[in-house]
Amino acid sequence: AQSVTQLGSHVSVSEGALVLLRCNYSSSVPPYLFWYVQYPNQGLQLLLKYTSAATLVKGINGFEAEFKKSETSFHLTKPSAHMSDAAEYFCAVRVNSGYSTLTFGKGTMLLVSP
Amino acid sequence: DTAVSQTPKYLVTQMGNDKSIKCEQNLGHDTMYWYKQDSKKFLKIMFSYNNKELIINETVPNRFSPKSPDKAHLNLHINSLELGDSAVYFCASSQVSGAEAFFGQGTRLTVV
Repeated sequence: AQSVTQLGSHVSVSEGALVLLRCNYSSSVPPYLFWYVQYPNQGLQLLLKYTSAATLVKGINGFEAEFKKSETSFHLTKPSAHMSDAAEYFCAVRVNSGYSTLTFGKGTMLLVSP
Repeated sequence: DTAVSQTPKYLVTQMGNDKSIKCEQNLGHDTMYWYKQDSKKFLKIMFSYNNKELIINETVPNRFSPKSPDKAHLNLHINSLELGDSAVYFCASSQVSGAEAFFGQGTRLTVV
């Protein structure tokens, strides 16, 4: 079985500040890991993914995440927040086998203030 | 050129009615899914189809019946709608051997 825990249902930052959204996973087999972003009334857009290649993954819009197996973590960061980054962010895990599906965390709402 | 498209985007209906949501993907993917997002934004898998065959059914009431006429389409029919069915339903697709899933824009279902 696989699961994802996102720490903090809301994270507030000022424009220009570092963004850090936390994600820890549990998986009995090597996982694929993802971060998705959801803007209001829209679908989910893939930000980045880890698929057992480089542990530091760069995504769209200046986001990156680092896979740390020893800590079972896949935290999302961005050096400088923009107002347009305000959205809901979901971490997801998928096992690397067969007909697996994505298991999502509960999401973290990122609030960016001027 | 929408990759995963679902219709309608909004659906308001009365309790007890039957409704359908349609989904189409033009990515050539083998696998399609329905996810449900509740009022707290939690996303949960409902069904997974691979090449028109049902692969995963996650303890969804049998009032929900997915149908895949071909591997590019996955529709969701819901009978006898209940208030608790109000949610946003997302269609998604992926390659079996691939990693990420691509999502549609969602259908916001409101049962009154």
